[in-house]
Amino acid sequence: ETGVTQTPRHLVMGMTNKKSLKCEQHLGHNAMYWYKQSAKKPLELMFVYNFKEQTENNSVPSRFSPECPNSSHLFLHLHTLQPEDSALYLCASSQGGTSNEQFFGPGTRLTVL
Amino acid sequence: KQEVTQIPAALSVPEGENLVLNCSFTDSAIYNLQWFRQDPGKGLTSLLLIQSSQREQTSGRLNASLDKSSGRSTLYIAASQPGDSATYLCAPEAGGGADGLTFGKGTHLIIQP
Repeated sequence: ETGVTQTPRHLVMGMTNKKSLKCEQHLGHNAMYWYKQSAKKPLELMFVYNFKEQTENNSVPSRFSPECPNSSHLFLHLHTLQPEDSALYLCASSQGGTSNEQFFGPGTRLTVL
Repeated sequence: KQEVTQIPAALSVPEGENLVLNCSFTDSAIYNLQWFRQDPGKGLTSLLLIQSSQREQTSGRLNASLDKSSGRSTLYIAASQPGDSATYLCAPEAGGGADGLTFGKGTHLIIQP
């Protein structure tokens, strides 16, 4: 595997389900990010992890719970979601520092019924 | 709060034309600015990153310029091809190290064969 990978690519869940999204980066980066892309809205930053520490939570509801066990893996745990949470969830990683180019994964298309 | 505007919202031109996509941002205190392309239903592909100390960056047929003081960036595409059809996104980064990006709604570009 190369770059940034995300699983699953598609997910359909009910409002009472609990599921997790997984992101893995193979670039040796130190920072990882979750973004949300809803229809007709700009990409929105959700969370930032730098060296496994959460450095930003962009006022995200508590039904979204991130986890970063190491610099290569990032999870987004989902529970009791709402239909308006249906979106494309994108993971990104970067080296940090002076040239902080971010590289994105292919995304997980989430549908909440 | 940073706000990003991209003009035009959509553009359709015959192949071979040279194009200019515009991006403006409200907070000029940025660390760098990144241009991406996004194909339908897919993740983001990084095209160019311009650091705040730079005026422009080039990659193949793409040239991006940055006027930080006026809060503007442009992406120039030379000799457009049908394969350039995608949504183009600009995203400034506020701080150094590992900050999230702020996105505009993008320019939806169609190159007609």
